[in-house]
Amino acid sequence: NAGVTQTPKFRILKIGQSMTLQCTQDMNHNYMYWYRQDPGMGLKLIYYSVGAGITDKGEVPNGYNVSRSTTEDFPLRLELAAPSQTSVYFCASGKGLVSYNEQFFGPGTRLTVL
Amino acid sequence: AQRVTQPEKLLSVFKGAPVELKCNYSYSGSPELFWYVQYSRQRLQLLLRHISRESIKGFTADLNKGETSFHLKKPFAQEEDSAMYYCALDPGGTSYGKLTFGQGTILTVHP
Repeated sequence: NAGVTQTPKFRILKIGQSMTLQCTQDMNHNYMYWYRQDPGMGLKLIYYSVGAGITDKGEVPNGYNVSRSTTEDFPLRLELAAPSQTSVYFCASGKGLVSYNEQFFGPGTRLTVL
Repeated sequence: AQRVTQPEKLLSVFKGAPVELKCNYSYSGSPELFWYVQYSRQRLQLLLRHISRESIKGFTADLNKGETSFHLKKPFAQEEDSAMYYCALDPGGTSYGKLTFGQGTILTVHP
């Protein structure tokens, strides 16, 4: 049971490039989330999903897109990378359908945009 | 909109001393509060949540609705408690478990 896995661990992008951050969970969780963490700041929610085919914006969605075609996978797409997207990205999942459920986090992807 | 504030970015104590990590929140409803922890080279994980009323690794946290606080306390800090601690708020209801995090506090316990 690997939990939540993220790839890649590190990536350097040039301005204007695009990439997809992968996130997979093997716990059959309904809810999945993408957060970003900037230095000295807390985690901020980018997008979330409550099930396959259902996604919605979080607090900071601009410049990102997501999809949820399966329960397991929740990729995050950056279309035109900008220096402001330099951050550590965390994917998380939760069982959902219960009150106040625990979130399980991936190890993170450190992205630098130059 | 809700907000979570952790006023201390850094907190240093000596082993065996009491430790308190502060967390204040603003939200008009009745939220659920959590403490998450990230140890060195490990992923972020749940430490404890208010609804469970439990003590984990000697840590406790009391929800004070009057002061809108959820401070994390431990009477005798250990070196292995050194980590980054995040306070988080879940509004509940139809929020789908979305969390609002504080800025985090780095706790260092010196030998």
